[in-house]
Formats: sequence, C-alpha cells, structure tokens
Amino acid sequence: LAKTTQPISMDSYEGQEVNITCSHNNIATNDYITWYQQFPSQGPRFIIQGYKTKVTNEVASLFIPADRKSSTLSLPRVSLSDTAVYYCLVGDEGLDSSYKLIFGSGTRLLVRP
Amino acid sequence: DGGITQSPKYLFRKEGQNVTLSCEQNLNHDAMYWYRQDPGQGLRLIYYSQIVNDFQKGDIAEGYSVSREKKESFPLTVTSAQKNPTAFYLCASSYTGGQGFHEQYFGPGTRLTVT
Repeated sequence: LAKTTQPISMDSYEGQEVNITCSHNNIATNDYITWYQQFPSQGPRFIIQGYKTKVTNEVASLFIPADRKSSTLSLPRVSLSDTAVYYCLVGDEGLDSSYKLIFGSGTRLLVRP
Repeated sequence: DGGITQSPKYLFRKEGQNVTLSCEQNLNHDAMYWYRQDPGQGLRLIYYSQIVNDFQKGDIAEGYSVSREKKESFPLTVTSAQKNPTAFYLCASSYTGGQGFHEQYFGPGTRLTVT
C-alpha cells in the first residue's frame, strides 16, 4: 500500500480556505485517495474520496493532478469546529479482497478565531 | 438509528488481567476492524474480519485476540501478553466486495488504561 506524507500541522483563521496537501508517490493504478477527519477522543469520520481530477461534496473538495502522486484536500471557509486531525489514505482492495486502511500521523489543523 | 457502538467508553484494568472490548454494528456490514491509537499517533490495525467466523491479523496483532461469531459483533480481547495495552481502541465496519474503496464507519472508541 502506498505511503503518504502530509504536513504535521497547519494553522488557519475562521472564514479562510484551507488546503492540505498529501504526497503519495507510489500510488498504484487501482488506488483511491480518501480523507478522514478525527476529533479528540472520537473515531475518524470519512470526508471525501476520489480517484482522479476533482471531487466535491458538501463539506470539502479533493483535487488530484493527472499523475496522481499527490492530492489536496480543500476546506472552504473553515470554522472553529474544523479544528481536528486530517488523515490522507491511499489504497484499494488487496489481491485477496482484504481491505486495510493505513493511517499516518495526519495533519493537525488549528482554526483560530 | 444505524451505527456502530463500543462499550465501555473508559476501562481500567490491573496489569496481568485479560480484558474484552465490545463492538457492535447494525449497519449490515460484512467487514469489521479493530485499531489502536496512541497519543499523537495515527491508527494502527490490530485485526480485521471480512466475514463471520473468519478474521485476519493486522499490523500489530500480538497480544490481542478476536472472534466473529455473529455478523454484528466483533469483540477484542486484550490479553496479559500485550506489553503496552494502555491506548485508545477504535472499532470500524464497512461493506466489502465490488471494486475500489469502501468507507469505514468508526465507533466512539474505548480508552483502556492498564496499571
């Protein structure tokens, strides 16, 4: 499974757009890119998933360039409640149909008033 | 309400005792997972199960055991052989089959403290 690299932490202010970039140089053809959000002492929550180009839902956008070696999670107009850890994951179902998520240390986003 | 539940929220045990963490889901998911999270770290996979009566070791299975007798339940036992059991334990479930990623739904977690 591809290893991912993200910034350890980021700071922002309320109302700003936040872009978190994830590097995954060894991404395989069948791999998808998924982002999760985790608040302290809670389980992670799915944010968005994509394979290529751009994906948008009600909370975020995911930009994936043509070579798919990186991806950028974009959070529009963040609020204090967006303060959390954000994880970028890359993978697919394995040859034996197993499915495993590999979480790195994530990016700690702090949104200031 | 559909969801995944873990109990208890906090658990305290003495060193040398086995302890079982509960995980139940009513999402009709085939796959279930157990993760461990240490402070400031990401999640690490302990065990996972894609079908009843079958499960596989994850990256850090030593000192843990699981069972999958029912589709809805995937209890995790932390044995006395686990050298550093104090951690936050998270259970998750997902659909399987088809192609590509399947979103994992996480429970609220159990914080285990062993002294």
